[in-house]
Amino acid sequence: EEQLVESGGGLVQPGRSLRLSCAASEFTFDDYAIHWVRQAPGKGLEWVATISRKSDSIGYADSVRGRFTISRDNAKSSLYLQMNSLRGEDTALYYCAKDRADDGYYGLDVWGQGTTVIVSS
Amino acid sequence: QSVLTQPPSVSGAPGQRVTISCSGSSSNIGAGYDVHWYQQLPGTAPKLLIYGNNNRPSGVPDRFSGSKSGTSASLAITGLQAEDEADYYCQSYASGLSARVVFGGGTRLTVL
Repeated sequence: EEQLVESGGGLVQPGRSLRLSCAASEFTFDDYAIHWVRQAPGKGLEWVATISRKSDSIGYADSVRGRFTISRDNAKSSLYLQMNSLRGEDTALYYCAKDRADDGYYGLDVWGQGTTVIVSS
Repeated sequence: QSVLTQPPSVSGAPGQRVTISCSGSSSNIGAGYDVHWYQQLPGTAPKLLIYGNNNRPSGVPDRFSGSKSGTSASLAITGLQAEDEADYYCQSYASGLSARVVFGGGTRLTVL
């Protein structure tokens, strides 16, 4: 079964940094685009970032552009999200999700269980 | 404020048919981008329900169907069951630097 497992969440002070990881298994990781999507407590889904299979196309939501960096290591079947200058409004459950195709336009068909980030002093 | 607009809630009795609308604009759905739908059961990760406007992944019952027209899309659920009670999200894409993937605000389906 195709699987994604996020890690790296936790409690962090405003202004500090955190790096999330997402480990993929049971599918050919470098064939697909991957996304980060977050969900604040009691709120809806918010897209954060997308990276294409070869990392040649990357997109960010306005709310995180310039602070967050998405990257991937296809040799390790892993996705990352470097989050800098964290704010209270970044508090959320962060999901990584696999796209159905290589460039990120075909629907998110595999989701991890999420990792929680809490930004608070 | 989500880019795609969904009703906050809908409800229906078991066996009934309900629809959930997703309204966009000429810069997203109306630009020709596909619409996808997700179901999120309480306390779980979202699950892809409909992709490419009207296609069901393997394992999704044919009680669920999607459609798209102009700048809007809809999800229809027939033969409503108690297990369908969940949050439903539409998703599409937007051109330009400001956004790439866009979600609707979500609709809570209550089975009466």
